[in-house]
Amino acid sequence: AQTVTQSQPEMSVQEAETVTLSCTYDTSESDYYLFWYKQPPSRQMILVIRQEAYKQQNATENRFSVNFQKAAKSFSLKISDSQLGDAAMYFCAYRGGNTPLVFGKGTRLSVIA
Amino acid sequence: DTGVSQDPRHKITKRGQNVTFRCDPISEHNRLYWYRQTLGQGPEFLTYFQNEAQLEKSRLLSDRFSAERPKGSFSTLEIQRTEQGDSAMYLCASSPVLREAFFGQGTRLTVV
Repeated sequence: AQTVTQSQPEMSVQEAETVTLSCTYDTSESDYYLFWYKQPPSRQMILVIRQEAYKQQNATENRFSVNFQKAAKSFSLKISDSQLGDAAMYFCAYRGGNTPLVFGKGTRLSVIA
Repeated sequence: DTGVSQDPRHKITKRGQNVTFRCDPISEHNRLYWYRQTLGQGPEFLTYFQNEAQLEKSRLLSDRFSAERPKGSFSTLEIQRTEQGDSAMYLCASSPVLREAFFGQGTRLTVV
C-alpha cells in the first residue's frame, strides 16, 4: 500500500522568508500524481500545487514550488516570500493511476509577523 | 458552479442514533470521495465512486457505514448506531478521473 510521510509536525517562518516542507512517499507504481493541499483553520482543503510523476520539471505556482526527486521518492514544498495568509495545515498527498488520494499527517505552518 | 457542497455543516447526535450526510459534487466530475478527518490528522480515506459504482471501500470502514451515489450525481454517507469514536470531520471531494480532487467544507459530526 502507498504511504505518505510528513516528518515535520510543525514549522514556523518569518514573514517574507522562505520555508520548505518535507514529504516522502512509498510506492511501487511508476505513474502517479503528487499534491500539496492547504487547510486553513476551520476552512476547507484547497489545492496548492500538483506534480505528475512522468514530468521531470518541478511544478511552480507563483510563490509555491516543489522539489520532486522521483528516485528518492521525495516531494518537498517551498514557499517563498511567506505571507500571514500562508499559515495553515499543509498536507502532502499521493494518488496512483486508479486509486484515491492518500494523505500524510500534515505539517502545521505558522507565519510570524 | 459553486464547487463541492456538503450538508449539513454540523451535526450533533446522541450515541446510538443514525445520521446521514449529503455531498453534491462539481457537476462534471465523475469521481466522488469520502474521507474522515480527526483533529490534527490527515484525511483518512473511507470510500469512493466512479459515477454510480462504488469502486473501493476502506478496510477500516465499519459495517455501520454505508455510502451511495444514485445516478452518479450526489452521494450520501450514512452512519448507523453512532459511537463517540465516530466524532470527526467528514470530507467529500470530487474530481475528473485523472485530475486533482476538490474538497467540500466538510460535515463536522459530534456524538454525545
